[in-house]
Amino acid sequence: AQSVTQPDIHITVSEGASLELRCNYSYGATPYLFWYVQSPGQGLQLLLKYFSGDTLVQGIKGFEAEFKRSQSSFNLRKPSVHWSDAAEYFCAVGAIIFGKGTRLHILP
Amino acid sequence: GAGVSQSPRYKVAKRGQDVALRCDPISGHVSLFWYQQALGQGPEFLTYFQNEAQLDKSGLPSDRFFAERPEGSVSTLKIQRTQQEDSAVYLCASSLGGGSTGELFFGEGSRLTVL
Repeated sequence: AQSVTQPDIHITVSEGASLELRCNYSYGATPYLFWYVQSPGQGLQLLLKYFSGDTLVQGIKGFEAEFKRSQSSFNLRKPSVHWSDAAEYFCAVGAIIFGKGTRLHILP
Repeated sequence: GAGVSQSPRYKVAKRGQDVALRCDPISGHVSLFWYQQALGQGPEFLTYFQNEAQLDKSGLPSDRFFAERPEGSVSTLKIQRTQQEDSAVYLCASSLGGGSTGELFFGEGSRLTVL
């Protein structure tokens, strides 16, 4: 069955620290992968996407993600988080399958 | 408009009432999606339109849920005889091209509370 797994429900990091949010997928073909961010009371905003080509993709707000076919993963990273990054992050395969999300908390 | 607009933003319904939720996608966007997002969960796919054609309604949880997009622009999600388990945020998203692989632009959602 096609699915997206985000193993971490909550993650807390200190402001200025690095961040990695995990995403694993199960999909029969080459996936179209996305990361979205959702602030409270808001809709989802696209951070970045992977369709093909270079497996390291850059997104907005200083985020990047790496597609690893052998691990069926598409982890999101940021070298140094800012307090404004506190939000919920969703990994998705196409437009149909979303993960349950990881809520990011930032310590001052 | 500049973005995807959803109305109402908040709706309180008594159990058994019918509700209608509206989505205005970005002008010219071909694809339109509806999702249900329960508290603390990710978006769950409900249905997909390409222009006025409803190509996938596999996510609609019951026959009480109905969606339409008659002119290929504005869409309405209707829930008949609402139940408490229907309480959720209903998200609408549009995409420029057809298919389910493009970048989605989301509205802010309609929060439905069924008492």
